[in-house]
Amino acid sequence: NAGVMQNPRHLVRRRGQEARLRCSPMKGHSHVYWYRQLPEEGLKFMVYLQKENIIDESGMPKERFSAEFPKEGPSILRIQQVVRGDSAAYFCASSLGTASSYEQYFGPGTRLTVT
Amino acid sequence: AQSVAQPEDQVNVAEGNPLTVKCTYSVSGNPYLFWYVQYPNRGLQFLLKYITGDNLVKGSYGFEAEFNKSQTSFHLKKPSALVSDSALYFCAVRDTPGGSQGNLIFGKGTKLSVKP
Repeated sequence: NAGVMQNPRHLVRRRGQEARLRCSPMKGHSHVYWYRQLPEEGLKFMVYLQKENIIDESGMPKERFSAEFPKEGPSILRIQQVVRGDSAAYFCASSLGTASSYEQYFGPGTRLTVT
Repeated sequence: AQSVAQPEDQVNVAEGNPLTVKCTYSVSGNPYLFWYVQYPNRGLQFLLKYITGDNLVKGSYGFEAEFNKSQTSFHLKKPSALVSDSALYFCAVRDTPGGSQGNLIFGKGTKLSVKP
């Protein structure tokens, strides 16, 4: 059973470009979470999605950032018009559900560098 | 609001010695607590969790953690450290215990360095 997959692993964008980060959850998992890790800091929650629905986007900046988890295909975190401050590692996690017995499994992350 | 604190940025231990990585929490209600480990350029790996029940929780790779309600702590421990345990350790609390959400709130992380 493959784990959580993220691609690309490394992404370099110039200021003003768009960044698209993909996350394929573990097989059978329909709950996806996106977190951002800034240098020397812990992970910060961004958005929680279930298939075709955004459940909680309270941690995501209101502008330039969007996320989706379509019925078919991976979850995508999209950052428009990137700025240097967007440089970070972006981690996706998936779980079977939100019951207490379900822990989150993390992908290897996408390291975004904005030049 | 829920929060966790990891008071030590770095912990240094000699191989074979016991190790402790500290975590304290602040929550309303009963906490759901987790420990994750991150190796360089890798994602986070789940180590263990406390939801309810026995205060001593055993996890992967010989790690365990003790839930202490009176001290609001959830310290990670291992009786005998290995060099391969050197990594970044994160304590986390679930934002809405028992609720319909599941997102985690993480501490800043503690870098564990085990010397031979």
